[in-house]
Amino acid sequence: GESVGLHLPTLSVQEGDNSIINCAYSNSASDYFIWYKQESGKGPQFIIDIRSNMDKRQGQRVTVLLNKTVKHLSLQIAATQPGDSAVYFCAVSRDSGYALNFGKGTSLLVTP
Amino acid sequence: GAVVSQHPSWVICKSGTSVKIECRSLDFQATTMFWYRQFPKQSLMLMATSNEGSKATYEQGVEKDKFLINHASLTLSTLTVTSAHPEDSSFYICSANPLERGTGELFFGEGSRLTVL
Repeated sequence: GESVGLHLPTLSVQEGDNSIINCAYSNSASDYFIWYKQESGKGPQFIIDIRSNMDKRQGQRVTVLLNKTVKHLSLQIAATQPGDSAVYFCAVSRDSGYALNFGKGTSLLVTP
Repeated sequence: GAVVSQHPSWVICKSGTSVKIECRSLDFQATTMFWYRQFPKQSLMLMATSNEGSKATYEQGVEKDKFLINHASLTLSTLTVTSAHPEDSSFYICSANPLERGTGELFFGEGSRLTVL
């Protein structure tokens, strides 16, 4: 069945380093992929998205890479800052709709 | 940017009572809204899809008689937890997609934390 998972539950990086958070998905019909950041007690905050017709998309300090062949998604954060500390979720669309399946989450801790 | 507002942001109730949570899109219309539940230190799980003018679509394992959803207008969906029990204590989050944008971008509310005593 459908599953979305993350390779690492926690990630600790030093301030200024680059961070990479990975996500695997199983539904080959998914065509929309999103990364969210969630701070404690708050709702998910949109970071960046990508559609299945692309394999890379860049934002401000963030890059999402999509490998449809192996059903893998990654989020790269450049020059990680203390404010980036949060839980990061990948979310994958169910077929062509807007309902999402979320990954388990990776807790990113940025140390000074 | 598009804003989704939830009310209340937190609520405490006694076991057996019902609680209503509202999800409003403040500056856009949405024919579809989504309700998620998130237990502590876990991920978001889709509960149901709220459809304006028609019945909600529930995920497998979610009791439709317990979690009543009403999408009364293009800017408001409500989730009512009926006869709440302590195991219903959770963080309930809604999301919506702006009807007119067609980008597929979803916006999430800040969540409503329910504690059932």
